[in-house]
Amino acid sequence: AQKVTQAQTEISVVEKEDVTLDCVYETRDTTYYLFWYKQPPSGELVFLIRRNSFDEQNEISGRYSWNFQKSTSSFNFTITASQVVDSAVYFCALQNYGQNFVFGPGTRLSVLP
Amino acid sequence: EPEVTQTPSHQVTQMGQEVILRCVPISNHLYFYWYRQILGQKVEFLVSFYNNEISEKSEIFDDQFSVERPDGSNFTLKIRSTKLEDSAMYFCASRGMGDNTNYGYTFGSGTRLTVV
Repeated sequence: AQKVTQAQTEISVVEKEDVTLDCVYETRDTTYYLFWYKQPPSGELVFLIRRNSFDEQNEISGRYSWNFQKSTSSFNFTITASQVVDSAVYFCALQNYGQNFVFGPGTRLSVLP
Repeated sequence: EPEVTQTPSHQVTQMGQEVILRCVPISNHLYFYWYRQILGQKVEFLVSFYNNEISEKSEIFDDQFSVERPDGSNFTLKIRSTKLEDSAMYFCASRGMGDNTNYGYTFGSGTRLTVV
């Protein structure tokens, strides 16, 4: 069975602080994909990143970075120097090859000015 | 960049009424999906559709739900007799043949269904 856990239900930080959102997944497949999506108050799902199971390189995109560790089945997401516009719900998701998405429960991030 | 288009963005309906949610997938995509997100909860898979038939469905997708691709461009989700608990955001998604990257798997912006 596939499962995604995001242990942090809500996080509040003050602007310019760094924040890390945790994601732990479970799957028996060796080929799979991991994703992060941002859901702003308007409700749409905004794609942030996809990672396949064979690529454990960390990735940085501007203020965003991702740490994928197969040994601990984790795919954590860090926002550096957070901004108010980063306030949203963030979902981690797992997709086994050719199958459907399994989403985590989400982490609500509030960045206070 | 190609988009998946969903209409309407928000629909209010009375309990017991039938509702049809519409989606226009990306034109060369062959796999179609519906997901549901009850307010404040996670996004859940409902159904996948390929080659004019359902390929997989979750336990949420009971006899009250049906999907259809009535023409070459639309993909619809029908709820026959809506219940209060059907109130949710419904996301359509589509994927291209042989492409399992997100760049082939695109979500629409969602339809917020409110049942009163």
